[in-house]
Amino acid sequence: AQSVTQLDSQVPVFEEAPVELRCNYSSSVSVYLFWYVQYPNQGLQLLLKYLSGSTLVKGINGFEAEFNKSQTSFHLRKPSVHISDTAEYFCAVSARLGTTDSWGKLQFGAGTQVVVTP
Amino acid sequence: KAGVTQTPRYLIKTRGQQVTLSCSPISGHRSVSWYQQTPGQGLQFLFEYFSETQRNKGNFPGRFSGRQFSNSRSEMNVSTLELGDSALYLCASARGGQGDTQYFGPGTRLTVL
Repeated sequence: AQSVTQLDSQVPVFEEAPVELRCNYSSSVSVYLFWYVQYPNQGLQLLLKYLSGSTLVKGINGFEAEFNKSQTSFHLRKPSVHISDTAEYFCAVSARLGTTDSWGKLQFGAGTQVVVTP
Repeated sequence: KAGVTQTPRYLIKTRGQQVTLSCSPISGHRSVSWYQQTPGQGLQFLFEYFSETQRNKGNFPGRFSGRQFSNSRSEMNVSTLELGDSALYLCASARGGQGDTQYFGPGTRLTVL
């Protein structure tokens, strides 16, 4: 089984400042890693994902994340945020092929609410 | 390419009733997953269907069921509704392979009175 911990429930940040959202995971098997964003009254939109290869992953809207296997972390960063980045951000994992509960299942963290103020 | 659509967007039901939610995936996608989102429990996986077969199931009671049709559209049914079933129900479609991106619909907001 997998579990995901998002260390901050809310992150206030000023416009044009950098932001980092922390995500740690626990799993007995290898996993794929994802970051999603949810705007009010909407579904989830993929920001980026890590499947394999380079540990630094670049996504949409200027976001990037770094996979650290030894620390089992996948932190999300943006160097300069905009008001429009105000949303809830979810880190998620899914098990790689070969495990019984791997199909179609994302295990989500509790989410981090980012509030950007001018 | 049209995105994932869910109908209805909002539902109000009373305890004891049953409800059916619908999800139309992106064209060409054969996998549909369902999630329940609540303030207290967050996002929880309900089940996943691929080519009309349930491939995976979360830890929900048997009152929660689903099915998938030959055109990949999926329905989720909740019988004997309880107050705690009030939630945003999200479906996501994917091609169906490991690590594939799941594309989410806007959700159905269910309120049980």
